[in-house]
Amino acid sequence: SQQGEEDPQALSIQEGENATMNCSYKTSINNLQWYRQNSGRGLVHLILIRSNEREKHSGRLRVTLDTSKKSSSLLITASRAADTASYFCAAGGTSYGKLTFGQGTILTVHP
Amino acid sequence: ETGVTQTPRHLVMGMTNKKSLKCEQHLGHNAMYWYKQSAKKPLELMFVYNFKEQTENNSVPSRFSPECPNSSHLFLHLHTLQPEDSALYLCASSQQTGLAQETQYFGPGTRLLVL
Repeated sequence: SQQGEEDPQALSIQEGENATMNCSYKTSINNLQWYRQNSGRGLVHLILIRSNEREKHSGRLRVTLDTSKKSSSLLITASRAADTASYFCAAGGTSYGKLTFGQGTILTVHP
Repeated sequence: ETGVTQTPRHLVMGMTNKKSLKCEQHLGHNAMYWYKQSAKKPLELMFVYNFKEQTENNSVPSRFSPECPNSSHLFLHLHTLQPEDSALYLCASSQQTGLAQETQYFGPGTRLLVL
């Protein structure tokens, strides 16, 4: 079964606004990770939240995790044009630490 | 730079060609991964190697043949590919599979076009 489905598929905002992306997953997880991908490039790890954590911050990023709803959200505050990229959540399984990625949210930040 | 390099960055090949993709990590990691990224599809895990041993083959067709001679290098040998194999192939590494919290470090990918 597929884990890590993102919502929305695409998000377009103005610089300075906040961007919120949501992720849902299906089975038990050890952790939930968020990655960023610039067009046609590799993925870059942003933040990891463990299954026993509810919220985590890193700079302008805020991640929440609700294991009862099997969902997570990524908030980027005060967005910049340079934040334009695709954002993926990845569910870290309990068995091998293997990651299962969602389809991603394409974020466009207009200057 | 993530410490993971991939060559070539772009590759065009015919269906009868044989080519290889190379990945090298400079992070001292013990696990390496091949992923396939196609348009409008989630990232698909293809193979996982842990301490040079293959631990995962995600039902990948035999026209894709991985090789891991040591923990720093990973190859993907390609032969008689199909046009639907055109995609971005991403290599990643992590400290070790099976650890509770694993962050993966990705290379820039090889953009493959099969004609």
